[in-house]
Amino acid sequence: NAGVTQTPKFRILKIGQSMTLQCTQDMNHNYMYWYRQDPGMGLKLIYYSVGAGITDKGEVPNGYNVSRSTTEDFPLRLELAAPSQTSVYFCASRLTGAGSGANVLTFGAGSRLTVL
Amino acid sequence: GESVGLHLPTLSVQEGDNSIINCAYSNSASDYFIWYKQESGKGPQFIIDIRSNMDKRQGQRVTVLLNKTVKHLSLQIAATQPGDSAVYFCAENFGAGNKLTFGGGTRVLVKP
Repeated sequence: NAGVTQTPKFRILKIGQSMTLQCTQDMNHNYMYWYRQDPGMGLKLIYYSVGAGITDKGEVPNGYNVSRSTTEDFPLRLELAAPSQTSVYFCASRLTGAGSGANVLTFGAGSRLTVL
Repeated sequence: GESVGLHLPTLSVQEGDNSIINCAYSNSASDYFIWYKQESGKGPQFIIDIRSNMDKRQGQRVTVLLNKTVKHLSLQIAATQPGDSAVYFCAENFGAGNKLTFGGGTRVLVKP
């Protein structure tokens, strides 16, 4: 299994541009999440999804959109990029259930975005 | 609002010594806590977790202690090694959807 794969790893955007961060997982996890991590800070939840066709806002959703058309993919879209969106973005997934490790998030390697 | 925080932003440890990383949480309804390790340029990796009905859990070289009375969580690393140098985050979960709330992180530096 590849786990959680994010693309691109790095991207520079100009103010006002838009882009999509891709996230895919091959573990058949039903829950998926997008976090952002600002320098020297913890992770803040942007959006999450409990299954295909279902998404919900996290702590900092403004300026972002998500979709979940399949179990595997959970893309994050930035419309009208702003300097405040300069951050490292992490996608994560987990499997629901009562078994060992069911609540553990598996993270991707991150996507570093700079908005100039 | 409810939050998770850490007492020490940076911890320097001599190789071979034990490390203790502390974390305070404020949501008494949190039912699950996790410690993650994040190495430079990588995503967080699971270390150990504990449910609110437990007060101690041990893993390989790591132990998590939970004190619900004072809302305190700690991670103990035995015989700290250079590979333990990283930023450590505690996170708490409450409610459906496993919406973890992360603390600000503690950087552990292992001195040879």
